[in-house]
Amino acid sequence: DGGITQSPKYLFRKEGQNVTLSCEQNLNHDAMYWYRQDPGQGLRLIYYSQIVNDFQKGDIAEGYSVSREKKESFPLTVTSAQKNPTAFYLCASSIEYGRPYGYTFGSGTRLTVV
Amino acid sequence: GQQVMQIPQYQHVQEGEDFTTYCNSSTTLSNIQWYKQRPGGHPVFLIQLVKSGEVKKQKRLTFQFGEAKKNSSLHITATQTTDVGTYFCAGPVVMATGKLIFGQGTTLQVKP
Repeated sequence: DGGITQSPKYLFRKEGQNVTLSCEQNLNHDAMYWYRQDPGQGLRLIYYSQIVNDFQKGDIAEGYSVSREKKESFPLTVTSAQKNPTAFYLCASSIEYGRPYGYTFGSGTRLTVV
Repeated sequence: GQQVMQIPQYQHVQEGEDFTTYCNSSTTLSNIQWYKQRPGGHPVFLIQLVKSGEVKKQKRLTFQFGEAKKNSSLHITATQTTDVGTYFCAGPVVMATGKLIFGQGTTLQVKP
């Protein structure tokens, strides 16, 4: 079955450490997105990619970085510059950027700073 | 800036009662999407509305898009415990329609 795989499901980060969250899709979707969800809040866009080898900052990109070297993969790195990284991170994809299609979400990664 | 707001934030109902959540946008939307997130889970796409005044039904769920395309609602008839979760509406960002802006969601609790 096609879908989005995020790993790991749970991640613990020490202060000053960079960590990378994996997102892989086999849906052949062009566009991919990273969202952050905090308790009781909606989803806030971190980065998005319209197509391979292209990505743009979202609303809360500070302290995060991404790459899109392959269509299937859109990893997110949470750097030590992100001062409050504890959150639920969701990766999503859509068939084509700019077209009115629903997003498919991965099952998420819960990141905790220890 | 562009905003999408949902009310209420929380709703507790007795099983069998009806439930409605409302979504209001600060700008006219080309379309609106609805998602459901079960506790501990991830958002799942439910439906998309495109036309002014559009009404769509999925079993006990009824979705409406306002005439001015600035508001929408989701109505659940005779709630069941399986309806528990958070319902989000989302609309495309003006001038960047590939990006969605999400409402804060309405969390539904159903008492059996």
